[in-house]
Amino acid sequence: DAGVIQSPRHEVTEMGQEVTLRCKPISGHNSLFWYRQTMMRGLELLIYFNNNVPIDDSGMPEDRFSAKMPNASFSTLKIQPSEPRDSAVYFCASSLPAYTEAFFGQGTRLTVV
Amino acid sequence: AQKITQTQPGMFVQEKEAVTLDCTYDTSDPSYGLFWYKQPSSGEMIFLIYQGSYDQQNATEGRYSLNFQKARKSANLVISASQLGDSAMYFCAMRDTNTGNQFYFGTGTSLTVIP
Repeated sequence: DAGVIQSPRHEVTEMGQEVTLRCKPISGHNSLFWYRQTMMRGLELLIYFNNNVPIDDSGMPEDRFSAKMPNASFSTLKIQPSEPRDSAVYFCASSLPAYTEAFFGQGTRLTVV
Repeated sequence: AQKITQTQPGMFVQEKEAVTLDCTYDTSDPSYGLFWYKQPSSGEMIFLIYQGSYDQQNATEGRYSLNFQKARKSANLVISASQLGDSAMYFCAMRDTNTGNQFYFGTGTSLTVIP
């Protein structure tokens, strides 16, 4: 398996633009997580899906952020409109249920100017 | 309330020495999993080691071992015979059923191995 695949790896966008980050989890994994990492706030859980259903989105910063998982092999995180404070590394991770490790993608480095 | 606490923002260790990175956790669930991840400067998150709450023995993976003290709710990572390539951020994480099997991460410890 190729692991968790995220795209793009790097994204530079202007303030106010829409940004879509994509994630392909490992086949067979039914849990998917989106994290945001910054120097100031560390690693923050944004949203968690189980069997394609959002279980907890309390970490989503505000209405500008939305996430979908239309099927077991694809998820998106959308920011509309983007702001400079959204600049961060966004990680997607997937896992099997219960007490198994999460496998992380390489991350998307987002810069909003 | 913090689920995972890592109190050491930065640590230094001499090459070939052992080092312990501290982690305490908070859960009322009797069944949970504890994890350690390494994040080198290149940015990827690398899974290192796992300990289940019912595991009788401390987990070990090569030079990594997890010092699990259930009553104290601590899950410290021990790295033996440190190498220069061990310089990285280290994150402790927990997963429990109380929160629907989410992963909670600590704030991390930056480890620098000195030659």
